[in-house]
Amino acid sequence: RKEVEQDPGPFNVPEGATVAFNCTYSNSASQSFFWYRQDCRKEPKLLMSVYSSGNEDGRFTAQLNRASQYISLLIRDSKLSDSATYLCVVNKANAGNNRKLIWGLGTSLAVNP
Amino acid sequence: SQTIHQWPATLVQPVGSPLSLECTVEGTSNPNLYWYRQAAGRGLQLLFYSVGIGQISSEVPQNLSASRPQDRQFILSSKKLLLSDSGFYLCAWSIGAGVYGYTFGSGTRLTVV
Repeated sequence: RKEVEQDPGPFNVPEGATVAFNCTYSNSASQSFFWYRQDCRKEPKLLMSVYSSGNEDGRFTAQLNRASQYISLLIRDSKLSDSATYLCVVNKANAGNNRKLIWGLGTSLAVNP
Repeated sequence: SQTIHQWPATLVQPVGSPLSLECTVEGTSNPNLYWYRQAAGRGLQLLFYSVGIGQISSEVPQNLSASRPQDRQFILSSKKLLLSDSGFYLCAWSIGAGVYGYTFGSGTRLTVV
């Protein structure tokens, strides 16, 4: 099982739609969680951190379910500019207790006019 | 504010030639620094990370090396490039082990011909 798994998509949605991505992680000791956005041929950029209580930033809502070991990202009122790949990222401790980020392969979103 | 600079943006090099990619960070001290590679259509692969001057950890055996001659400078090198070294190379920095995530440079797209 991969340490961080995402549905690669692509998700094709019309403008204004609501879309949700899920991501599962395998290490129950993981402590920090993030969603990154990567545009084609660009660097990944932090979209939002994911907190235990869930958090919202405008049209974006992130949720964490520790018991089931998954995180989610909800995008409301999709815009054309939301088209990108969304990367799920988990920070975990390795055997030497050094923390590192584990990256999912990403979910591709295309918002259509 | 902190900024990260990475250059060049694109590079085409013949097989067997040397490589040197440079990354510098401004506005912070003692950052953790990272080199990632993203092959076409694939996920982010951590190549090296550094927690301080002269301290380099290699994640995977390969044809590349890294050095950190100054606190905010991170260099990726190769003595002889292989075709398989082609990819999108990204430098990143974090506060500590990345509890707040990583910030990436704009990347170098390397094509080995």
